[in-house]
Amino acid sequence: DGGITQSPKYLFRKEGQNVTLSCEQNLNHDAMYWYRQDPGQGLRLIYYSQIVNDFQKGDIAEGYSVSREKKESFPLTVTSAQKNPTAFYLCASSRRSGDQPQHFGDGTRLSIL
Amino acid sequence: LAKTTQPISMDSYEGQEVNITCSHNNIATNDYITWYQQFPSQGPRFIIQGYKTKVTNEVASLFIPADRKSSTLSLPRVSLSDTAVYYCLVVRRDTGRRALTFGSGTRLQVQP
Repeated sequence: DGGITQSPKYLFRKEGQNVTLSCEQNLNHDAMYWYRQDPGQGLRLIYYSQIVNDFQKGDIAEGYSVSREKKESFPLTVTSAQKNPTAFYLCASSRRSGDQPQHFGDGTRLSIL
Repeated sequence: LAKTTQPISMDSYEGQEVNITCSHNNIATNDYITWYQQFPSQGPRFIIQGYKTKVTNEVASLFIPADRKSSTLSLPRVSLSDTAVYYCLVVRRDTGRRALTFGSGTRLQVQP
């Protein structure tokens, strides 16, 4: 079955450390997205990519970075500049860049040690 | 994009029909209404999308009145497994950014 794989499921970060969250899709979708979800709240857009080698900032991009070197991969780095990184991170994809997110991964829960 | 308002929570019993209404007073001509479902510790799942009148699929129905200022997601004969958060979003059909920001959603609790 096609889908989105996020890893790891749980991740712990030390103060001042950068961590990278993996997102891989085998759906052959053009667009990919990263969202952050805090307890009891909806999803907020961090970054999105409509095509390989291109990405755009979302609503809360500060303290995060991404790359899109391959169509199937869209890793998110949470840098030390992100002062409140504890959250549930979700990756999503859509078939075309003009479509809304159609598939979501099962998320990575990031916590600070 | 049009702001959406939906109830924070709803309770129901197994076998009942559940209707969740979302208001989007400022919806534009080229906006679509989309609903997602999210279970705890999982990503949202697309349920249904519509532009006007009624749309039905194997999971739910979506009713949109002529003025499109609101929409109602209808879940027939809910079961315990329908306990989840349901998000209503207005999505603009244009050539630019299509990424979405989700509101707080409606938390549906289905009781036995």
